[in-house]
Amino acid sequence: NAGVTQTPKFRILKIGQSMTLQCAQDMNHNYMYWYRQDPGMGLKLIYYSVGAGITDKGEVPNGYNVSRSTTEDFPLRLELAAPSQTSVYFCASSDMGAANEKLFFGSGTQLSVL
Amino acid sequence: RKEVEQDPGPFNVPEGATVAFNCTYSNSASQSFFWYRQDCRKEPKLLMSVYSSGNEDGRFTAQLNRASQYISLLIRDSKLSDSATYLCVVITNTGNQFYFGTGTSLTVIP
Repeated sequence: NAGVTQTPKFRILKIGQSMTLQCAQDMNHNYMYWYRQDPGMGLKLIYYSVGAGITDKGEVPNGYNVSRSTTEDFPLRLELAAPSQTSVYFCASSDMGAANEKLFFGSGTQLSVL
Repeated sequence: RKEVEQDPGPFNVPEGATVAFNCTYSNSASQSFFWYRQDCRKEPKLLMSVYSSGNEDGRFTAQLNRASQYISLLIRDSKLSDSATYLCVVITNTGNQFYFGTGTSLTVIP
């Protein structure tokens, strides 16, 4: 099983550029999440989804957008990149509510906005 | 008030030492508790779930104190490979989100 696949692994953007971070999972999980992690800090929730067609804001949603057209995919869109968005981004999925409420993470995307 | 709070450390301990981390949570109705491990520049990975009765996995013991709203992780006989950041994670009674502490950094010294 591939689990959670994130692309790209690294990206450098100029201020004002846009990009989409891709996330796909093959475990048929209903719940998917996007987190960012700044150096020396914990994970902050950007957006999450409890199923296809349903998304909701997390703690730090400003400057980001998401969509969930299928169970498998949960892309994160940055429309106007800003230096404050330099961070490591993790996508995760979970079979929330099941006996094993484990979070499965992708390997992360290191994003720098210059 | 943050949902989950941890002492960030760092904890620097010699090989073979016993070390304990604590984590407090603010929502008394929180329902599920975990410890995750994160290596430098890697994604977090589940270390162990924390059950009300306490649970042990080899050298690792997790405890939950609902009355005081804290979770603990005890590592016995520390190994160099235990060096990592340990994240306390809580699911609240709304059941939609995992709340992460900022992590406690552990370095095991030869």
